[in-house]
Formats: sequence, structure tokens, C-alpha cells
Amino acid sequence: SQKIEQNSEALNIQEGKTATLTCNYTNYSPAYLQWYRQDPGRGPVFLLLIRENEKEKRKERLKVTFDTTLKQSLFHITASQPADSATYLCALLLEGGYNKLIFGAGTRLAVHP
Amino acid sequence: NAGVTQTPKFQVLKTGQSMTLQCAQDMNHEYMSWYRQDPGMGLRLIHYSVGAGITDQGEVPNGYNVSRSTTEDFPLRLLSAAPSQTSVYFCASSYSRGGGSWELFFGEGSRLTVL
Repeated sequence: SQKIEQNSEALNIQEGKTATLTCNYTNYSPAYLQWYRQDPGRGPVFLLLIRENEKEKRKERLKVTFDTTLKQSLFHITASQPADSATYLCALLLEGGYNKLIFGAGTRLAVHP
Repeated sequence: NAGVTQTPKFQVLKTGQSMTLQCAQDMNHEYMSWYRQDPGMGLRLIHYSVGAGITDQGEVPNGYNVSRSTTEDFPLRLLSAAPSQTSVYFCASSYSRGGGSWELFFGEGSRLTVL
């Protein structure tokens, strides 16, 4: 069966450390992979997209890797801050358009001072 | 720009009642969609539209209707509410043909409880 898995348990880290979130998938062949941030009671906000032929993408303190052999994406936040506390969703975009966007359930990150 | 605006933010219904969740966007996006978000599950696509007058079903369309008479508006109708439709609903929009990043712009959500 097709699955997207993100850690259901919250990730707790100390301020200043690097947070690493994982997105694993099975039986999909995504063309792209996206990461969104969702704050409590708010809608998701787009952060980054990485294409299947890209190994790594960076944006400020964010870094995303995409390994199509392992079927895994890692999302890193360096020098984390309490303001980075949120739930982070990964989404696979299959060929065919926006209706082919498949979301994971998300991982909650808590950054402690 | 307001972006994507959803109303109401909260709603309580009784089983069998009908209602409409409103969604409007002011970014001239061709693509609009409705998702539901349930605990422990990813966002699931209910219905989507690639332009005015064009709608199609997503993964979980049963019990919901949509229409797209204008580019700006994409209302979601619950015909006869059931407790299984208790959820948080998100409307999202985007450019046609991906715009490079295939970024979805989401509204703030509508929390619906069906008793």
C-alpha cells in the first residue's frame, strides 16, 4: 500500500540545536516533495520544494534533502529558535497536478529556551 | 491582499443539517481546493477546481458538493451533515501549471463539529 510516514511523536530540542525531521514514503514515485509549516489553529504555510533530481535545497536556516533511493526526505532547521515550534508537514507531488499532492500527518517540533 | 479567506471559523451542526463553508481568494488563482484535516492523518483532498465552471472530485468527496461560478469563490456544501464530517476544513488556492514551486496557499481553516 502507499504510505507517507512522519514521526507522530513530538520532537523536543534545545534552542540553538539543529532539528531534523523525517519524511518516509513507500510505493510512490513523486516528482517533487514539499514541506509546510502549520501553527496551532492556522493553515499550513509553504516552506520549500525539492525536485526528484535535486539532492539538497537550502533556504536561510532550512535545509531539505531528498533521497529517491531511500524514499526519504530530511528537513533540517539549524540554530533553532522557540519561534520555530510548530508542526511540519511533508507533501509528495506526483505527476499530474495539484490534485496529486499527498500530505503526511506532520511532526510537531518544540524548541525549548 | 487578504489571500484565502474562509468563513465561518467555527460551526456546530446537528446530524442531518446542511451548511456551506465559504472560501474566497483575491490572488486570481485558477486552482482552488478543499481539504479536511483529522487527527493523526494527513490533509485529504475533498474537491478541487482548475478554473471557473470546472470542478472534480478528490480522495474523499462523498457527502460534499462544490461549485465554481467565479475565479474568486469556491464554496463547499455539506448536504446532510454526519458525525464523520466533524473535522477541520481548509481551502487552498494556487497558480495554474505549478508556478514553479507548486505552492498551495491555505486559508485559516473552518472547524466543524457535527453532533
